[in-house]
Amino acid sequence: QQQVKQSPQSLIVQKGGISIINCAYENTAFDYFPWYQQFPGKGPALLIAIRPDVSEKKEGRFTISFNKSAKQFSLHIMDSQPGDSATYFCAASLGVAGGTSYGKLTFGQGTILTVHP
Amino acid sequence: DAEITQSPRHKITETGRQVTLACHQTWNHNNMFWYRQDLGHGLRLIHYSYGVQDTNKGEVSDGYSVSRSNTEDLPLTLESAASSQTSVYFCASSVDRRGTEAFFGQGTRLTVV
Repeated sequence: QQQVKQSPQSLIVQKGGISIINCAYENTAFDYFPWYQQFPGKGPALLIAIRPDVSEKKEGRFTISFNKSAKQFSLHIMDSQPGDSATYFCAASLGVAGGTSYGKLTFGQGTILTVHP
Repeated sequence: DAEITQSPRHKITETGRQVTLACHQTWNHNNMFWYRQDLGHGLRLIHYSYGVQDTNKGEVSDGYSVSRSNTEDLPLTLESAASSQTSVYFCASSVDRRGTEAFFGQGTRLTVV
């Protein structure tokens, strides 16, 4: 019940296209959903995050869509660029309903995005 | 600029040896975390600390230990290295307990032979 399932495992997109990565969770005690971007040889870096009281959050070309009833959230990268090529991780964090597990981040399996020029 | 650094960046060790991976942050964050990253598993939490003298087990803590004697450092020790512990290890720190805007180190690639 603590899992976060991420798909696809890898994604190839042409420059200018839309990249979509999906995540699903089971535990309704999750209340914070960040996305991390990781370049080769680097640590993950926070990209964008959302809380379940909103259905969408947009920052530049990156948008998180959140469907609370379906327990799914997704990352959309508009006008994808070769510089967006990286591994993307979704994550979920337990709120106070998680008790002693409050705050712990559970990560998805990761998606390797390749944007061809 | 504040930062979080890990050392060494690469380490090869033999099965059964004790290994310590260093993590040092200058953000003055109370909350620090150790993760391991394996293909197909994402990042999994090993241990975490919410402050000096506080340590807690994560989901994959067996065979690992941490200690927190000051705010800046959270070293990770593999007590008796096993081949299953070959992985990339990431340390992170954050201003709050839920890891909001957590800052990650560059990682340590550990190979156990």
